[in-house]
Amino acid sequence: AQSVTQLGSHVSVSEGALVLLRCNYSSSVPPYLFWYVQYPNQGLQLLLKYTSAATLVKGINGFEAEFKKSETSFHLTKPSAHMSDAAEYFCAVSDPGANSKLTFGKGITLSVRP
Amino acid sequence: EADIYQTPRYLVIGTGKKITLECSQTMGHDKMYWYQQDPGMELHLIHYSYGVNSTEKGDLSSESTVSRIRTEHFPLTLESARPSHTSQYLCASSESSSRKAFFGQGTRLTVV
Repeated sequence: AQSVTQLGSHVSVSEGALVLLRCNYSSSVPPYLFWYVQYPNQGLQLLLKYTSAATLVKGINGFEAEFKKSETSFHLTKPSAHMSDAAEYFCAVSDPGANSKLTFGKGITLSVRP
Repeated sequence: EADIYQTPRYLVIGTGKKITLECSQTMGHDKMYWYQQDPGMELHLIHYSYGVNSTEKGDLSSESTVSRIRTEHFPLTLESARPSHTSQYLCASSESSSRKAFFGQGTRLTVV
């Protein structure tokens, strides 16, 4: 069975500081991995996805994530935080099976201090 | 931009009422999902569908039901709403090849 672990529920950084949001996955086969962002009272928007091509994936809004099979991790980073990055971030996993489901982690709230 | 729509965005309804939350997508995706999310909390999969006439229950038990008579439409129904059903309901559809999921804006349901 596939699962996602996002440690911690809240991360706070200063504007201009590095953003690091952690995600570890469990899957019996090489998975598809995703990061989604959710702004207040909105649905989820895809930031980036890993589908077994390059291990370093670049997404929208300056975010990127690195797939590390040895660590079963897919941490999200951004070199310099902006106030508009404040939101809820969800990591998700899906195995490659034709009828696989998309399973989400608990989410992390990112706050950005001026 | 995603073409998946949920109506209504907000709904306040009395206990015991029957409600249907609408979800439609124009992208021709076979897979569709309903998630339940309490404020600031994780998403719980409550229903999913792999195509027309295919529906499955998700990881979180729910008293709601769904139907998939047409590819583009995946409504969720509560026969008798209760305060415990108060939550946000998110609908999504995904591409079969990339697994990329698109989400609607959500319906925030309050049962009083």
